[in-house]
Amino acid sequence: EIVLTQSPATLSLSPGERATLSCRASQSVDSYLAWYQQKPGQAPRLLIYDVSNRATGIPARFSGSGSGTDFTLTIGSLEPEDFAVYYCQQRSNFGQGTRLEIK
Amino acid sequence: EVQLVESGGGLVQPGGSLRLSCAASGFTFSKYWMTWVRQAPGKGLEWVANIKEDGSVKYYVGSVKGRFTISRDNAKNSLYLQMNSLRAEDTAVYYCASILHYDIMNYWGQGALVTVSS
Repeated sequence: EIVLTQSPATLSLSPGERATLSCRASQSVDSYLAWYQQKPGQAPRLLIYDVSNRATGIPARFSGSGSGTDFTLTIGSLEPEDFAVYYCQQRSNFGQGTRLEIK
Repeated sequence: EVQLVESGGGLVQPGGSLRLSCAASGFTFSKYWMTWVRQAPGKGLEWVANIKEDGSVKYYVGSVKGRFTISRDNAKNSLYLQMNSLRAEDTAVYYCASILHYDIMNYWGQGALVTVSS
């Protein structure tokens, strides 16, 4: 079974700063990796699919990269609405999440 | 506009049963794999089950095999999750979602809370 490990568990930043979230797989995975954003009391929302493709309606400040075992979600300049929990996913496996909080 | 609306959640005693429904609209339901994902209170996301477009192929996470059954009715644009022999650890918000491809979930419902407690 593939384990996805996200780091850091919590990231404290200010609006306008750049956020870099990591997702590491326990073994090499294919390129069908996704990132989701979840705000309190809401369902997750697809941000990035196939490592680097933005989903419909997702702003350009969100970008994804990586291959093999190491993947990254980057938020170029944080907006107030970006503070949330982010999950990576590959096939039936989810990472444990990174909480992005306001510093 | 794509909409997925879950219903059927509630409080059930351990060992009991519950059936969740998910009504889909705004897309051609019969052309997509569908899935159920759950989230225990304060915890992360856990995939539960998938079903192929025509209902002929189903997959389950190990912890629910033999207890949960995923199904669909394409004529009614509806997805279901029959949950039997419920346990306290099944307590969670259950989301239905459509699958873009390769298990990537592009649209999600708002979730249905299932609480298993005596």
